[in-house]
Amino acid sequence: DTAVSQTPKYLVTQMGNDKSIKCEQNLGHDTMYWYKQDSKKFLKIMFSYNNKELIINETVPNRFSPKSPDKAHLNLHINSLELGDSAVYFCASSQDWGNNEQFFGPGTRLTVL
Amino acid sequence: GQQLNQSPQSMFIQEGEDVSMNCTSSSIFNTWLWYKQDPGEGPVLLIALYKAGELTSNGRLTAQFGITRKDSFLNISASIPSDVGIYFCAGPNSGGSNYKLTFGKGTLLTVNP
Repeated sequence: DTAVSQTPKYLVTQMGNDKSIKCEQNLGHDTMYWYKQDSKKFLKIMFSYNNKELIINETVPNRFSPKSPDKAHLNLHINSLELGDSAVYFCASSQDWGNNEQFFGPGTRLTVL
Repeated sequence: GQQLNQSPQSMFIQEGEDVSMNCTSSSIFNTWLWYKQDPGEGPVLLIALYKAGELTSNGRLTAQFGITRKDSFLNISASIPSDVGIYFCAGPNSGGSNYKLTFGKGTLLTVNP
């Protein structure tokens, strides 16, 4: 069983469209994260949720809206996609808030044309 | 914010050689983490260090938490082709309610068989 899974693996879309990426973890963790990895492989935190509550919003444009329906799921909706949104988006989870050991999903490669 | 300087940026080695990479910080860290990212996959946690001076091994990998708490080293002995990937160091910010991991820019390792 995959611990942290994301769908889709690849997403190619036109500028201006709205898209969603889904993440699920079966580890029983309380805390989930979204990261963005740019073309230079730099990993940067975007959001963090603890027990379905938003904890970190790392100066991400309002076009990005995370939603956590329950502790095992953290989805990312992006409105009005722009060229600069092209990147790999990783979901991650950790046992609880403040636990450093984060487990990452396989990533979603988003390409905006 | 806190920055992690990781070096070298890339390494090309022959199979069987030993590898060493390091990470330095402008401020004190209480935890150091080392991740490996295979092509097309998410980062996987290799080693977590929690105590200054700590030396921890995971198979052929050995990592050390620097005494000054501002640096960490990762060594790989007798490299094999599957060691290829990007190695990231990471550490949490220095506390408060806005906990997050900061990642280094990665060391790209290529192993020639």
